This record gives sequence, C-alpha cells and structure tokens, in this order.
Amino acid sequence: QKEVEQNSGPLSVPEGAIASLNCTYSDRGSQSFFWYRQYSGKSPELIMFIYSNGDKEDGRFTAQLNKASQYVSLLIRDSQPSDSATYLCAVTNAGGTSYGKLTFGQGTILTVHP
Amino acid sequence: DTAVSQTPKYLVTQMGNDKSIKCEQNLGHDTMYWYKQDSKKFLKIMFSYNNKELIINETVPNRFSPKSPDKAHLNLHINSLELGDSAVYFCASSRSGGEQFFGPGTRLTVL
Repeated sequence: QKEVEQNSGPLSVPEGAIASLNCTYSDRGSQSFFWYRQYSGKSPELIMFIYSNGDKEDGRFTAQLNKASQYVSLLIRDSQPSDSATYLCAVTNAGGTSYGKLTFGQGTILTVHP
Repeated sequence: DTAVSQTPKYLVTQMGNDKSIKCEQNLGHDTMYWYKQDSKKFLKIMFSYNNKELIINETVPNRFSPKSPDKAHLNLHINSLELGDSAVYFCASSRSGGEQFFGPGTRLTVL
C-alpha cells in the first residue's frame, strides 16, 4: 500500500464548477497535511495546509481533514482554466527521525475546460 | 527577492561524470531539503538538514553527497552519474518542520 494515495486522474471539470481532489494516507501518526499545486515544468507551490480535523477555507480553496478515516481533500470552488495543474497531497509526521519529512502522493492532474 | 534559488537550472552531462547543484534560501529558514522528481512526476525526499545537521537521509546511493556550509545553503554533489539519475531535483526550505517552500528545480539529463 502506498503511503499517500491520490487518484492520478486526469480530473476534468467545466469552468465555474467545484473540483474535488482526494487523498488518503496510511500513517496514523501523520500530523500535518499539505496541498501543493504544480504547473507543468514548474516547482510545487504550497496552496493550503491543515493540521486539525475539519475544514479550512482560503479564498476559493477548502481543505478538509478526517484523521479517523485518514483522508484529506481539497475543494476548488468556481474553478478557472488557470487552476489546471497537478495537485500534490503531502503529509508529515513531524518529530523524531521523521522531522519535516514530507511524503507526497503521486498527484492528481486537474483540467478545467472553458 | 526572498526565495529559494537553485543553480544550474539545466544540467546535461555524460555518464560517469561528477556534478554539483547549489541551493540558497534567504527566507531565514533553518531546515533545507533535497527532493527528486522522476519522469512519472513522483516527488521523493532525499536529504534534509536542520541547522547544518543532517537529519533525514533516505535510501539514496552514496554517490549522492549533500553539504550544508551554513543554514542558508545546501548543495548536492553527485559522483559517477548514471542514466537513472536523470530527473528534476528540487531544493526546499522550511522553518523547523513547518511548511516547505520549493526552489525552481534543476533538470538533470545524463546521456
């Protein structure tokens, strides 16, 4: 079983719709959860992080965390063509020998079509 | 500009050569990382330094040797390059174990 698993997609949504990206993780000790966006040929860019169960909203983005289900998601409201990118889920079990180690999923390719 | 920077951006070399990639951050962070992103876009950590001390060393061939002369710099030296080393190498930094910010990447091609 992969440590962090995402549906690789591609996920295609029309402009203005809600895009829902999902991620599951295997380490119950995971404490911090991150969503990165990576455009083709560019570096990963941090867009959201969440540490506690529940929802966290930032503009058009909402991160949702359910530690009991080992599940984290990212919702993008009013999707725009500029949101088309690969979205990477990453988790870390900060502390001890895992200090700051980010484990990434394989990424979900999102395409927003006009 | 405050950022994580890497040099070179592109590196094309022959098998068997030795090469280095440099990384610098001026964000005041105390932890720096090297990641490798393969052709399938999978991003995997290689090394991490906190205050110049190696704290994460994943299963990486010992041909790869990181060096951190100070908190703001983390370099990666690769000996005897192999075809399988071709990838994009990203440097990142963070304040302790917090959010990590990535450099622009170095695309290494081994011929």
